[in-house]
Amino acid sequence: EAQVTQNPRYLITVTGKKLTVTCSQNMNHEYMSWYRQDPGLGLRQIYYSMNVEVTDKGDVPEGYKVSRKEKRNFPLILESPSPNQTSLYFCASSPQTDHRIGHEQYFGPGTRLTVT
Amino acid sequence: ILNVEQSPQSLHVQEGDSTNFTCSFPSSNFYALHWYRWETAKSPEALFVMTLNGDEKKKGRISATLNTKEGYSYLYIKGSQPEDSATYLCAYRPRDNYGQNFVFGPGTRLSVLP
Repeated sequence: EAQVTQNPRYLITVTGKKLTVTCSQNMNHEYMSWYRQDPGLGLRQIYYSMNVEVTDKGDVPEGYKVSRKEKRNFPLILESPSPNQTSLYFCASSPQTDHRIGHEQYFGPGTRLTVT
Repeated sequence: ILNVEQSPQSLHVQEGDSTNFTCSFPSSNFYALHWYRWETAKSPEALFVMTLNGDEKKKGRISATLNTKEGYSYLYIKGSQPEDSATYLCAYRPRDNYGQNFVFGPGTRLSVLP
């Protein structure tokens, strides 16, 4: 089954304790992205990746890191989480090989993170 | 950060009513516009990707139009059903970054009452 998976789905952690949220897709998509969703603000893009070893900042990258060593995986790293990073996080992927074509994104199930 | 607006913020309609909502975006820097449907406790699902001025897309009872010159897109739902209840998101891709990034609007929350 074609899908985007995220782990963990729920996480409660404490300020300053490094964590990684994994994202994996089995559709051979080039484009992958991370979003956070906060009430009243909609989805905000954190980082995106056009392909392996190519990553770029979205609108809210502060406090996050990503890597794209393999095509299928795009982990989100919080080196020192803070309470303002409490949010619902979504990973997404897209077969965007041609910038002139608007490919749709496929979203993972979401990770609800609470930082105390 | 670019501003993408959606209106109304929320909407309650009766089953069988037709409805529409708006997504507004900067017209001067347009690359593509996406519409997504997001049901509670699920992930957003793609409805349409629109790239050309005058585009009209349709999927069942849902359709969308695009006006890139004035910077808006309309989403229409004909004969709303309770299963249409969801938040509808639009996402704008600016041209000055070759459409690589997405800027989402805050969404329109639709409730269809049986």
